Amino acid sequence: SAVISQKPSRDICQRGTSLTIQCQVDSQVTMMFWYRQQPGQSLTLIATANQGSEATYESGFVIDKFPISRPNLTFSTLTVSNMSPEDSSIYLCSVEPGLHTDTQYFGPGTRLTVL
Amino acid sequence: KQEVTQIPAALSVPEGENLVLNCSFTDSAIYNLQWFRQDPGKGLTSLLLIQSSQREQTSGRLNASLDKSSGRSTLYIAASQPGDSATYLCAVSNSGATNKLIFGTGTLLAVQP
Repeated sequence: SAVISQKPSRDICQRGTSLTIQCQVDSQVTMMFWYRQQPGQSLTLIATANQGSEATYESGFVIDKFPISRPNLTFSTLTVSNMSPEDSSIYLCSVEPGLHTDTQYFGPGTRLTVL
Repeated sequence: KQEVTQIPAALSVPEGENLVLNCSFTDSAIYNLQWFRQDPGKGLTSLLLIQSSQREQTSGRLNASLDKSSGRSTLYIAASQPGDSATYLCAVSNSGATNKLIFGTGTLLAVQP
């Protein structure tokens, strides 16, 4: 398994500003994922972050809006840029440790409210 | 395009009842299916993972079944307890993108003491 922490747990931000969310894992993992859960909606994958390469974004998500860093095998950040109220969501990171399991483990999430 | 649907959207049962949550998906070419529970402020917890070649998985009071050809999965919870109250999500990954999870919208379960 993997234990994942996220910072901040929640934040309230003003329109037009940016917020960087941190994701820390207690073990080295190759693949990390960032998801968004808008109010009343299901989780949607934003991007896959592999160490040493640029993140791969899903349709509808772009690097300028959601830049991602992956400096090592235990850490990643997601920035929500130039925020609008439509960005109010829960943002979650997850990892797939591999090693005989396909199970993904999720962090507790960051609840973002944009005014 | 894979779509995942969960029924019902919400369910309230008295403690001790057995219950079934349903998940359906439109594309049967899946790699695996996972059931998660989501608690407020605690993210998602993986409950069961069923590979596409498997029919069911069991963990304690939970049993998940998979009928890939019909695009359906069920999560059976036996002898429900108030601590089971949470949102239950199913997610599939497709054969062509095994790491990408496609989630349903969830079933909000309330178990009344």
